[in-house]
Amino acid sequence: DQQVKQNSPSLSVQEGRISILNCDYTNSMFDYFLWYKKYPAEGPTFLISISSIKDKNEDGRFTVFLNKSAKHLSLHIVPSQPGDSAVYFCAASAFDYGGATNKLIFGTGTLLAVQP
Amino acid sequence: EAGVAQSPRYKIIEKRQSVAFWCNPISGHATLYWYQQILGQGPKLLIQFQNNGVVDDSQLPKDRFSAERLKGVDSTLKIQPAKLEDSAVYLCASSLLLRASTDTQYFGPGTRLTVL
Repeated sequence: DQQVKQNSPSLSVQEGRISILNCDYTNSMFDYFLWYKKYPAEGPTFLISISSIKDKNEDGRFTVFLNKSAKHLSLHIVPSQPGDSAVYFCAASAFDYGGATNKLIFGTGTLLAVQP
Repeated sequence: EAGVAQSPRYKIIEKRQSVAFWCNPISGHATLYWYQQILGQGPKLLIQFQNNGVVDDSQLPKDRFSAERLKGVDSTLKIQPAKLEDSAVYLCASSLLLRASTDTQYFGPGTRLTVL
């Protein structure tokens, strides 16, 4: 049961243009969403997050949008740079106060290639 | 601030052999996680510690996998005996504050395990 889905395995954009990475989820209990960036042979690096009480969060060139009714979030990178080329993982969590656990559920990732 | 440290970075073993991975979290981080990332998939949580106690090991194959966190700091993950399907990257992550969904997890570089 894939609770977090990234349906595009790869995306190629030109330098300077906008990159849009998409993520869908099925569990309505998720209340916190994150994007991680991963370079080869490195661990995932936290990029940006959004709480379910918001619909937009912006940090420099990166903006995450959350549409709760559609159970969909997206990451916008503007302008895209060659250094942004990496695998981007969407992740979601729902804090379990009963069990005191905070499990992150990851999507399968999207490989972004920014062409110079 | 030093990040999450892991060793070794790479390990090749034959099936039925044993292997151990080590993780040192970010200083002061009470929560530590071990994830398994199989090629083409997102990371999957194996076990979560709060200080030196286990709070979630529901997805840990306990017949062959074990983990401990000594004195609430470093942690080791062991596989005994290894199977071919254990070939994956094993990621360690840590976070500061458990009791909130907004507790960001920071990842180490991972250990790539190949089982022949």
